[in-house]
Amino acid sequence: DADVTQTPRNRITKTGKRIMLECSQTKGHDRMYWYRQDPGLGLRLIYYSFDVKDINKGEISDGYSVSRQAQAKFSLSLESAIPNQTALYFCATSSPNEQFFGPGTRLTVL
Amino acid sequence: GENVEQHPSTLSVQEGDSAVIKCTYSDSASNYFPWYKQELGKRPQLIIDIRSNVGEKKDQRIAVTLNKTAKHFSLHITETQPEDSAVYFCAARDTGNQFYFGTGTSLTVIP
Repeated sequence: DADVTQTPRNRITKTGKRIMLECSQTKGHDRMYWYRQDPGLGLRLIYYSFDVKDINKGEISDGYSVSRQAQAKFSLSLESAIPNQTALYFCATSSPNEQFFGPGTRLTVL
Repeated sequence: GENVEQHPSTLSVQEGDSAVIKCTYSDSASNYFPWYKQELGKRPQLIIDIRSNVGEKKDQRIAVTLNKTAKHFSLHITETQPEDSAVYFCAARDTGNQFYFGTGTSLTVIP
């Protein structure tokens, strides 16, 4: 679904580095989410935002921060990356019901 | 908060057979239950959903049932085909509009 895009698609970084993952959407949705996916653990919510001035922690927010720069943009930052943050990261938007996922960012922390 | 459990974690069926994936949830106030299919290397995509005021919904070979009393819902795929092979996730949306996902079921359809 080209309406939700993520950059970069793949990233390899080193322990201690700061990294930002970006998400943009053209769906006009107010609600945006960041999830991480690990094998056998499904999708776990990191942060979510229901409008530009609204930021909420999800179940695994420690070690992450977010910025909602505009309705269409929601960025996820790892201030000091660690190896157990190696995962597949998905951004999503939602209408009142359906969630639309971006293509994912595969992050490897060495 | 909500807790969603999904079983089985892996499922293999012969082509043409049916597949059933089950999920339970803990928050009786959750009101919307989507199912997502994720093919290898792709993003999750919605395949069917059900709201809390409905007991069953069907879309061609796919159906979902919801038992609010027991707090469980199931995905049924009939006449399975090799292209149904993927990871399937259930989810529940709580009254705060957060989505909670199950841990996924890897379905393999054997030709």
